[in-house]
Amino acid sequence: TQLLEQSPQFLSIQEGENLTVYCNSSSVFSSLQWYRQEPGEGPVLLVTVVTGGEVKKLKRLTFQFGDARKDSSLHITAAQPGDTGLYLCARQLSGTYKYIFGTGTRLKVLA
Amino acid sequence: GAGVSQSPSNKVTEKGKDVELRCDPISGHTALYWYRQSLGQGLEFLIYFQGNSAPDKSGLPSDRFSAERTGGSVSTLTIQRTQQEDSAVYLCASSPNMAGAQETQYFGPGTRLLVL
Repeated sequence: TQLLEQSPQFLSIQEGENLTVYCNSSSVFSSLQWYRQEPGEGPVLLVTVVTGGEVKKLKRLTFQFGDARKDSSLHITAAQPGDTGLYLCARQLSGTYKYIFGTGTRLKVLA
Repeated sequence: GAGVSQSPSNKVTEKGKDVELRCDPISGHTALYWYRQSLGQGLEFLIYFQGNSAPDKSGLPSDRFSAERTGGSVSTLTIQRTQQEDSAVYLCASSPNMAGAQETQYFGPGTRLLVL
């Protein structure tokens, strides 16, 4: 399957806590993108990971691409209310211009 | 404009009516995508345009859906004889070059369609 499964679906945490969300597939993909979507807006690209085992950091966000390139994780340190939103992972289907998006993790950070 | 714009931002229509949704991509972007996002769901690919090439329509859910892109810029998504299950947010995205790995898609704010 070329589906992307994200977990958890929903997450509500207190400001200052750490969290990790996951994106998994049974098939290998060449690259993976993470987006954040805030209410009433379109998704905004956060990062693209390409190499197996790659780790990228964006301020308090750490993105990791699995060694086998079948999974990825997003870790947020000391979450803030501004981190609230829908986190989506996406991959491009090989040989096409189509992107498949996961169902997302809806994060709410309480002040 | 600096980003992708879409209009209208909200549309309420009655079942059976036709609707047109508009997308203005970022100037110079050659690739344009339409997606549908149902409540609480991820994005469902609908159609892709790249320059003057024939569009990839493989994601359109039925023949009631069609889209065109005039002059390689503005795109219109048309839904004929709307059904209640068409209610969703319709998102448009553009990207600057030939679509490929690591391409960044820039999304508009979406059109929220409600079919009564």
